[in-house]
Amino acid sequence: GIQVEQSPPDLILQEGANSTLRCNFSDSVNNLQWFHQNPWGQLINLFYIPSGTKQNGRLSATTVATERYSLLYISSSQTTDSGVYFCAAPVQGAQKLVFGQGTRLTINP
Amino acid sequence: DVKVTQSSRYLVKRTGEKVFLECVQDMDHENMFWYRQDPGLGLRLIYFSYDVKMKEKGDIPEGYSVSREKKERFSLILESASTNQTSMYLCASSLSLGVGAFFGQGTRLTVV
Repeated sequence: GIQVEQSPPDLILQEGANSTLRCNFSDSVNNLQWFHQNPWGQLINLFYIPSGTKQNGRLSATTVATERYSLLYISSSQTTDSGVYFCAAPVQGAQKLVFGQGTRLTINP
Repeated sequence: DVKVTQSSRYLVKRTGEKVFLECVQDMDHENMFWYRQDPGLGLRLIYFSYDVKMKEKGDIPEGYSVSREKKERFSLILESASTNQTSMYLCASSLSLGVGAFFGQGTRLTVV
């Protein structure tokens, strides 16, 4: 089945820095989602992005489906951006999302 | 906005108890899911349901059952809780995975 890999596993930055998180997937996908898991455990939808680029405030995401990767950009990081970021892709023909292992982002004041 | 609500944020139960975790969504989504999340193991699918009274096993269904009597509600049942079921449980719903899934706030279950 599809494999989803994220890098880096951990990222520590100072407030105000920019960051890029990467998600590679082994098969072609018709959807790719990015989530932020907050310190209380809830997974918050950031982007649904099967291809192209989307922006939402300081966050943007780009998926290059032909090369099987997606990038999440966070600009001018704030301490509230801390948490774990997951990407996930659906398994073809099955109602199931496969998650990467996540990137733990820590933004220090 | 889609809202997925789990009945409890924190739960402590004793070994052998029957445990019900409830999840309600308000967007008329066909599909609902239960995942558990453990350190080092990521998110793993326990069960999902694609319609009322319909269910499919996920990757780790052993020790769990589910119930979907109404479209908006999906319950996860631990028939006889064990300590290895201590985990974070996450419920999700989607109209179609092609358009994305939405998660509840999670239930941190501790079995003692």
